[in-house]
Amino acid sequence: SYELTQPSSVSVSPGQTARITCSGDVLAKTYARWFQQKSGQAPVLVIYKGSERPSGIPERFSGSDSGTTVTLTISGAQVEDEADYYCYAAADNTGVFGGGTKLTVL
Amino acid sequence: QVQLVQSGAEVKKPGASVRVSCKASGYTFTSYGINWVRQAPGQGLEWMGWISAYNGNSNSARKLQGRVTMTTDTSTSTAYMELRSLRSDDTAVYYCALGYLDYWGQGTLVTVSS
Repeated sequence: SYELTQPSSVSVSPGQTARITCSGDVLAKTYARWFQQKSGQAPVLVIYKGSERPSGIPERFSGSDSGTTVTLTISGAQVEDEADYYCYAAADNTGVFGGGTKLTVL
Repeated sequence: QVQLVQSGAEVKKPGASVRVSCKASGYTFTSYGINWVRQAPGQGLEWMGWISAYNGNSNSARKLQGRVTMTTDTSTSTAYMELRSLRSDDTAVYYCALGYLDYWGQGTLVTVSS
């Protein structure tokens, strides 16, 4: 089975750039998606196909990939971006989430 | 607009079964699959499985195979997830999500307690 590894936490000051990585062999064969989950809410898709943003997602959110590692970048992080972030990939009709990264902006 | 509306919270005893529903609207139901994802209290997201609303093909996470069944009712645009032989560690919020997880339901809390 596939696994995705993320750092458990990332902390930045408002206006700084936050980078969250996600690593796993499955990323060599499929795109990653990134989800933002605020406390008590359902997850929200923020990046798909590795680097595409759904409508309504601020431009400060971007994604990139390099082999088996993908990165979510939040340029000029805002206090409202504080949340848990999960990477996700699907291959061979099976999905897998990373363990999640708690982003603190303060 | 796409909406996924899930059934209400459930409290079950160990060994029982639970069925969670997910009613879809705002798109052609049979054009996309439905994924099921759960989240135990204070834990991360766990992919449970996927079902095609077009032909009913499905696949579930290895650890849940034999205990989970996913179905769809195209006449009502509703997806269902049944989990059997419930244990305390099945206590979680259960989500349905459309397609490649583009849209999510509001979540259903399932509590397993004696």
